Amino acid sequence: GENVEQHPSTLSVQEGDSAVIKCTYSDSASNYFPWYKQELGKRPQLIIDIRSNVGEKKDQRIAVTLNKTAKHFSLHITETQPEDSAVYFCAASMGYGGATNKLIFGTGTLLAVQP
Amino acid sequence: NAGVTQTPKFRILKIGQSMTLQCTQDMNHNYMYWYRQDPGMGLKLIYYSVGAGITDKGEVPNGYNVSRSTTEDFPLRLELAAPSQTSVYFCASSFRDEQYFGPGTRLTVT
Repeated sequence: GENVEQHPSTLSVQEGDSAVIKCTYSDSASNYFPWYKQELGKRPQLIIDIRSNVGEKKDQRIAVTLNKTAKHFSLHITETQPEDSAVYFCAASMGYGGATNKLIFGTGTLLAVQP
Repeated sequence: NAGVTQTPKFRILKIGQSMTLQCTQDMNHNYMYWYRQDPGMGLKLIYYSVGAGITDKGEVPNGYNVSRSTTEDFPLRLELAAPSQTSVYFCASSFRDEQYFGPGTRLTVT
């Protein structure tokens, strides 16, 4: 089955710097890759996603890149702010139409943005 | 729309007790999921459903059961609770790819 690895497990940056979180997946059939942000004690919230027919997607200060050949995808946050501090999870699935669109999650990255 | 709602928010169980975690969504989504999240870890899929009357196992189904008699409701049943089931449980639903999560149920088994 699918396996998703996520690095680093913790990341500390200064406010205004960029942060990069990387994930690799094992199942070449996966074609949907979301990123979730989870604040302490809260539910995961989708912040951006990418599908396999796209190499990069941006939404303001957040971007995701996908390399299907290498089976890895990354989250990039620019101009980090203290409110970006949270745990970030990557995930992979075969997406809608793949019969189940089950998400397999990475183990998370705790991002701390120092003021 | 209330989205995905879960009850209860918190629960403490004794070893061997049983309980049902409730999940309801009002978005008419066909897909529903149950995840557990252990401290400092990612989410693991317990069970999922692609529509009323259809359920299947996820990564960690042992010790749990589900049913899906309506589109809106997807309860998770714990039989004979064990300390290893201490976790935060999230229900989610989706129409296509994007999954919407409920607020979670924090369960402690002692």
